Amino acid sequence: DGGITQSPKYLFRKEGQNVTLSCEQNLNHDAMYWYRQDPGQGLRLIYYSQIVNDFQKGDIAEGYSVSREKKESFPLTVTSAQKNPTAFYLCASSIDGGTNTEAFFGQGTRLTVV
Amino acid sequence: DAKTTQPNSMESNEEEPVHLPCNHSTISGTDYIHWYRQLPSQGPEYVIHGLTSNVNNRMASLAIAEDRKSSTLILHRATLRDAAVYYCSSYGGATNKLIFGTGTLLAVQP
Repeated sequence: DGGITQSPKYLFRKEGQNVTLSCEQNLNHDAMYWYRQDPGQGLRLIYYSQIVNDFQKGDIAEGYSVSREKKESFPLTVTSAQKNPTAFYLCASSIDGGTNTEAFFGQGTRLTVV
Repeated sequence: DAKTTQPNSMESNEEEPVHLPCNHSTISGTDYIHWYRQLPSQGPEYVIHGLTSNVNNRMASLAIAEDRKSSTLILHRATLRDAAVYYCSSYGGATNKLIFGTGTLLAVQP
């Protein structure tokens, strides 16, 4: 089945450790996105990429890093510089990032930092 | 970037129509208006999108104001499975950032 896979579903880390969240898609989409969602809040854009080997900061990029070495993969690293990393993280993709294209979302990774 | 504004919550009765409003007064002329919905602890799913004309699909209808500063998502007959958070969104003009509003929590009463 085509879709977006985020792993793991739940992740626990100690404060001060970097952690990488996986996002893989087999939809052959060019554009990929990472969002953060806090309880009772909307989605805030962290990073997005419209093509391999290129990505741009979203509205809350501080403390996060990404790479886009392959079309199907867009991993997100939550670094120790992120002050409040505990959140629900969502990855999405769209065929080309154009305004007339729908986005497809993964099921999310819930990160808890203790 | 285009900013969208939605009511925090709305309530509906089962089998009745629901009209979910969204204001997007700063949207650019070429940006489509998108709607997604999200069930608890799941990723959002696409509902519908449009530019100027009203749009219909199997899930919902989208009514877009003539000046494009607002739109309304219409669920023709709400079911219990329609209870979710509904997000109005748009791509941020030339930046192509897909930006979401804060969403409307829809409660459906049996």
